Order: sequence, then structure tokens, then C-alpha cells
Amino acid sequence: AQKITQTQPGMFVQEKEAVTLDCTYDTSDQSYGLFWYKQPSSGEMIFLIYQGSYDEQNATEGRYSLNFQKARKSANLVISASQLGDSAMYFCAMRRPSGGYNKLIFGAGTRLAVHP
Amino acid sequence: DTGVSQNPRHKITKRGQNVTFRCDPISEHNRLYWYRQTLGQGPEFLTYFQNEAQLEKSRLLSDRFSAERPKGSFSTLEIQRTEQGDSAMYLCASSLASGPNTEAFFGQGTRLTVV
Repeated sequence: AQKITQTQPGMFVQEKEAVTLDCTYDTSDQSYGLFWYKQPSSGEMIFLIYQGSYDEQNATEGRYSLNFQKARKSANLVISASQLGDSAMYFCAMRRPSGGYNKLIFGAGTRLAVHP
Repeated sequence: DTGVSQNPRHKITKRGQNVTFRCDPISEHNRLYWYRQTLGQGPEFLTYFQNEAQLEKSRLLSDRFSAERPKGSFSTLEIQRTEQGDSAMYLCASSLASGPNTEAFFGQGTRLTVV
């Protein structure tokens, strides 16, 4: 089955430290897209970063970077210089060609707590 | 605010009642999606529209669920004869195109509690 696995239900990090949130995916497609979303307690899913399956370089967006290891089918999110406002749920997601890339398949999420 | 808007934000209903949720997407987006998120899980795809056409429905969308997007703008999701298992966050998202790199913009969701 095509799926996303996030093995860390919860993570703690000290403010200003870096943290890595793990994500592995399972697909037989050659073309796919990988996303990370942040969900604060307000409920809205906030897009953070995208990595395409054909992208040779790891994606970066400000303090967020994606450690993409295609052979291992992993797409870990690295947050540098953590801030208190980074405390939230983080979801890894994938788009596949099936159905014209219209569905996002999400993992179960990781709850990040940033401590002062 | 020109983001995705969902109403109501919270809904408490008695088992067996019907409920309807509304989603207003970003105005120029032709694709609209509904997801359901239960406690401790990631969102699960329910259905999507391209303009007014409903092009895909998940098997999660039982006969008690119906979604519409009559003029290709806002959408409604109705649940008839609600059950306690319907308690969840219902998220709406919209996008302009469809591809591996398509960014979907989400609303803040409607949290349904069935008592």
C-alpha cells in the first residue's frame, strides 16, 4: 500500500537547537511529491516545504530543510534554531500520479514541543 | 483575509441529527478537497471537486455523506444521521492546479462532536 510513516509520536527540543522529524514513504511510482505541513492548535494545516522525486538537491525554506534520501525512501524535516512558536503537530504527506496527483496522503504526525 | 474559510469552526450535535459544513476556497482555485482528521491521526482524503464536478470520492465517504459545489465556488459537506464515529475535524483545502508539486491551502477546519 502507498503510505507515509512517521515513527515519532512526540519530540522535545530546546529552544535554539535543531531537530529532525522522521518520515519514510512507500510508493512504486517514479514521479511523486513530498510535503511537510505544520498544524498548530488552531487546526489549520500550514505548508512548510516541498520535495519532488526528481529533485537532486534537498529543499530548503528558511529554517526548514528536507533531508531527502530517495533510495531509502525517507524525507526527514530538519528545523534549525527552534523557536517556541514551532511547537505544533507536523505532518509528512505525499502526492502520487494515481488520480492525477489530487490526493495528499498523510502520515500520523509528530508532536513537537519546544522548551525554553 | 483571502485564505480558505470554513464554517462553523465547531459543531456539537446529537446522534442521528444532520449537519452541514461550508467551505469557501481561495477565489481563483478551481480544485477543492475535503479531508477528515480523527484524533491522533493525519488527515484522510474524502473527496475532491474540479470546478463544480465531483471527480473522486473515497470509500470513507459513506452514503450518509454528501458533498456539493454547485457553482464551482463554495462547497458544502452534509452528514445525515450522524454517528459518534463521525466525530472528527473536517478540513477543506483548495488549489489552482494539479501536479506532484501542487500546494494545497487548508482552512482551519470544522470540529464535529457527536454526542
